[in-house]
Amino acid sequence: DIVLTQSPGTLSLSPGERATLSCRASRTLFRNYLAWYQQRPGQAPRLLIYGASNRATGIPDRFSGSGSGTDFTLTISRLEPEDFALYYCQQYGSSIIYTFGQGTKLEI
Amino acid sequence: QVHLQESGPGLVRPSETLSLTCTVSGGSVRSDGFYWGWVRQPPGEGLEWLGYMSYNRGGNSNPSLQSRLTVSIDTSKNLFSLRLISVTAADTAIYYCVRQPLIAETSGWFDSWGQGALVTVSS
Repeated sequence: DIVLTQSPGTLSLSPGERATLSCRASRTLFRNYLAWYQQRPGQAPRLLIYGASNRATGIPDRFSGSGSGTDFTLTISRLEPEDFALYYCQQYGSSIIYTFGQGTKLEI
Repeated sequence: QVHLQESGPGLVRPSETLSLTCTVSGGSVRSDGFYWGWVRQPPGEGLEWLGYMSYNRGGNSNPSLQSRLTVSIDTSKNLFSLRLISVTAADTAIYYCVRQPLIAETSGWFDSWGQGALVTVSS
């Protein structure tokens, strides 16, 4: 299985600041097949990014994804209060099994 | 806009079968552009992909659960279902039904999620 390791585990920032979240894969992801999700407390996850850098429908442009191979980044350019949440990366480069990272908590 | 809604028992006894249904509104399970599947999350823990199915292209499931898991589609009722046999306490989780787009033979991300259904395995 492809293991995804997210860092940091917790990121403490203030509204208006820039957030950089990392996701590292245990081996190269085929065609950079990586997605990012946001999960607020008590809610289902919400798709932010797919294909490493494609924003999902309705996602503000302050969210951007980048990276290739084994190293991927989710950047939030200017944090809004509603952005403080849990973030997960997910790989779908393996046709056998999809896996998620363990999550990064973005806190105020 | 598609809406997914899980339903089923919130409590299942050990060794019995967990069954959940996901009703789809605002979209069709007969669409060629999507797979339909399940993801779960033990309370306070991370996400685990379970499996997906298409009405005409087959499906796939997590190898760790493959022998216990069945995902099926009922096109007449526009819903899909999860069946997990021989459950243990380790299967206690919030179960989410999800929609998985299929674009140019590429798939694997989940663009719509149900609100989730907590299923507790306990005697």
